Amino acid sequence: NAGVTQTPKFQVLKTGQSMTLQCAQDMNHNSMYWYRQDPGMGLRLIYYSASEGTTDKGEVPNGYNVSRLNKREFSLRLESAAPSQTSVYFCASILVAGGRADTQYFGPGTRLTVL
Amino acid sequence: AQSVTQLDSHVSVSEGTPVLLRCNYSSSYSPSLFWYVQHPNKGLQLLLKYTSAATLVKGINGFEAEFKKSETSFHLTKPSAHMSDAAEYFCVVTTYSSASKIIFGSGTRLSIRP
Repeated sequence: NAGVTQTPKFQVLKTGQSMTLQCAQDMNHNSMYWYRQDPGMGLRLIYYSASEGTTDKGEVPNGYNVSRLNKREFSLRLESAAPSQTSVYFCASILVAGGRADTQYFGPGTRLTVL
Repeated sequence: AQSVTQLDSHVSVSEGTPVLLRCNYSSSYSPSLFWYVQHPNKGLQLLLKYTSAATLVKGINGFEAEFKKSETSFHLTKPSAHMSDAAEYFCVVTTYSSASKIIFGSGTRLSIRP
């Protein structure tokens, strides 16, 4: 099992450019998440997908879109990047079943810089 | 509503001394509680979790945490700190089966003095 994988690991964009961050998990988890982490801060939820075919906004969704392509893959798109989106982005997945959310597994992160 | 509070943003201890990182939670229902560790420029790794079984939970690298319902706490401890323990630690609470109800604490940065 590879767990949760993310691509790319590093990216530099100019203001106004667009890009898509890719995330995939091979643990047959039903729920997937995108977080951002800024220096000295915890994780803030951008979007999540409770199950294939559904997506919902988290705490900081502005400037982002997501696609739950299938059960394995959950992508995050920046349509017009802004310097305020400079951050480290983490994808995570979890199995929610039987009234309980189990352990959340995280990808290695994507370090994004917007100039 | 549920919430989690990490009471210290930064803890500094000497190598070989005990570690205590404090976490209080608020939940209307029986929670699941987790501690994650994040080393510099790395992702998040699960240290341990409580999911309504034994209240004293043992994790990796000698860490353990005790769930105290009466105090709504889930403090993380280690008897003897090692230099490699220097990292950021996050307390996480979930309650519902809903995928949205995963709440992260703001984190505690642990520093180890030689």
